[in-house]
Amino acid sequence: DTAVSQTPKYLVTQMGNDKSIKCEQNLGHDTMYWYKQDSKKFLKIMFSYNNKELIINETVPNRFSPKSPDKAHLNLHINSLELGDSAVYFCASSQDLGDLSETQYFGPGTRLLVL
Amino acid sequence: DQQVKQNSPSLSVQEGRISILNCDYTNSMFDYFLWYKKYPAEGPTFLISISSIKDKNEDGRFTVFLNKSAKHLSLHIVPSQPGDSAVYFCAAWDSSYKLIFGSGTRLLVRP
Repeated sequence: DTAVSQTPKYLVTQMGNDKSIKCEQNLGHDTMYWYKQDSKKFLKIMFSYNNKELIINETVPNRFSPKSPDKAHLNLHINSLELGDSAVYFCASSQDLGDLSETQYFGPGTRLLVL
Repeated sequence: DQQVKQNSPSLSVQEGRISILNCDYTNSMFDYFLWYKKYPAEGPTFLISISSIKDKNEDGRFTVFLNKSAKHLSLHIVPSQPGDSAVYFCAAWDSSYKLIFGSGTRLLVRP
């Protein structure tokens, strides 16, 4: 039973389109995150939500809008896709935010390719 | 400006020998560090962590060493096994509760 799942796993789309990536966790965690792994392989935090409230919002274009309908879901909507948005996007969750010993559990990633 | 650096993109080791993966950081305020392991087409999974009040943490075949004065940590895997072949990410918590990751080191353990 997958702890953190993402759909779709692969997404190929044209520039200018709008797309969404869904994330669900069945761990009962309060905190969820979106990370972007760019071409240089760095994993960078984009957003985090704690109990459906936005906590961390990194310097991300406002074309990216996260939405958390409930604690178990954090979706990422991207408007007007650009070539530079091509990356692997990882969702993650942890029990809480602020406890340094908390482990983050990652989903398998969504590979986005913008043509 | 990358605050966590893994300067070796890849490492190849014979099965049974020791693997040493290195990580450097620039922010002296970092006080908790983690290593994650990632297989292809999967997300990273937590491996081991260390607090800055320690200089060593051991878990089975995995040991992490922290040298605060040098702003350097290393992950030792001994003995290395083919199943350890993966990408290893070093990470540190910053003061805003964000995990800052390095770019990863790809480890290949040869049978």
